[in-house]
Amino acid sequence: DVVMTQSPLSLPVTLGQPASISCRSSQGLVYSDGSTYVNWFQQRPGQSPRRLIYQVSTRDSGVPDRFSGSGSGTDFTLKISRVEAEDVGVYYCMQGTHWPFTFGPGTKVDIK
Amino acid sequence: QVQLVESGGGLVKPGGSLRLSCVASGFTFSDYYMTWIRQSPGKGLEWLSYIGPGGGSISYADSVKGRFTISRDNAKNSLFLQMNSLRAEDTAVYYCAKQARIPNNWGQGTLVTVSS
Repeated sequence: DVVMTQSPLSLPVTLGQPASISCRSSQGLVYSDGSTYVNWFQQRPGQSPRRLIYQVSTRDSGVPDRFSGSGSGTDFTLKISRVEAEDVGVYYCMQGTHWPFTFGPGTKVDIK
Repeated sequence: QVQLVESGGGLVKPGGSLRLSCVASGFTFSDYYMTWIRQSPGKGLEWLSYIGPGGGSISYADSVKGRFTISRDNAKNSLFLQMNSLRAEDTAVYYCAKQARIPNNWGQGTLVTVSS
């Protein structure tokens, strides 16, 4: 199975400051159709996961533009340009290229 | 708007069975792959299974293969997960989601607890 590794696992941030989460896969994630199925999810306390970014860098409708995704090969990044209080939660990367699809362990973002 | 509502969870003894349901609204259900994912404190988020729009494309994670069966009823906009031979390690919140490779619009989840 493809292992998704995230770092850091805990990320205390100051409001208004940037934050960055790294996700690394154990093998390349380009599918046969040419797409790279790396997605990012936000799970706020007490809520279901919500997709923020799909296929590496496409932001979902309604997601603030302070969230961005990038990367290629086996290295991917989620960036928050200026953290707001509503961004507290756990962030997961996920690969949908190789079955079984797999998630990273999650990065807990909270406010310093 | 897209809505997915899971039901059917509960407390069951090891070796028992449960059938989870997920009712969809707000989109053309029969056009999309659908997915079951679970979340447990010990193992985080885990993919379980997906099913194609017509029900003909199905995959299972090794952890549930042979014990769980995914199905759908497009006439009723419903997705199902039949869970047999349940084990303590199946204790989790079970979510359905729209699509497979880029799962979206997760439901609120239904809690399954396997304990004697």
